[in-house]
Amino acid sequence: AQKVTQAQTEISVVEKEDVTLDCVYETRDTTYYLFWYKQPPSGELVFLIRRNSFDEQNEISGRYSWNFQKSTSSFNFTITASQVVDSAVYFCALTYLGNEKLTFGTGTRLTIIP
Amino acid sequence: DGGITQSPKYLFRKEGQNVTLSCEQNLNHDAMYWYRQDPGQGLRLIYYSQIVNDFQKGDIAEGYSVSREKKESFPLTVTSAQKNPTAFYLCASSPSGQGVGYSNQPQHFGDGTRLSIL
Repeated sequence: AQKVTQAQTEISVVEKEDVTLDCVYETRDTTYYLFWYKQPPSGELVFLIRRNSFDEQNEISGRYSWNFQKSTSSFNFTITASQVVDSAVYFCALTYLGNEKLTFGTGTRLTIIP
Repeated sequence: DGGITQSPKYLFRKEGQNVTLSCEQNLNHDAMYWYRQDPGQGLRLIYYSQIVNDFQKGDIAEGYSVSREKKESFPLTVTSAQKNPTAFYLCASSPSGQGVGYSNQPQHFGDGTRLSIL
């Protein structure tokens, strides 16, 4: 069975601070995919990134970066120089090759204080 | 613009009543999904459909029903058998029915429907 743990239920930081959201996963599959989604107050989930299990390169996209470490089964997400618009709930998710189901973590509510 | 449209945004159900949530997509995606979101529990899969006229149960299908008569549409009915229907419901679609990891942008989500009991 697959499992995703986001231990941080809520995080608050002051604007311009850096913040890291943790994601730890469990799977027995050798080919799997990890995702991050952002859910702003409007409700829809916005896709941020997909990473397959064979690609451990860290990814940077503007102020966002992701650190994938198979050795610790973690896929952490860092926002640099946070902004108020980053306030949202962030979900980490997992699936395996050929599977239609995404296993979601319980989410981390991030609040950026102006 | 292409996207997923869910309606209504807010819905109220009386005891013993069935209600249907609408989900329409114009992305030409093969696969569509329904998720339920409860506070502190993340998203859980209710039903999904990889092609027209076919659908599969997810993890929490009891008390729900779906149909997929058209590629663009995947309505969800919350039946009276669902004893705790109050939740936020999200519809999603993905380009391929080969697994959500297959495409680099696997799932697009709608804005959701919030269902409450009167």
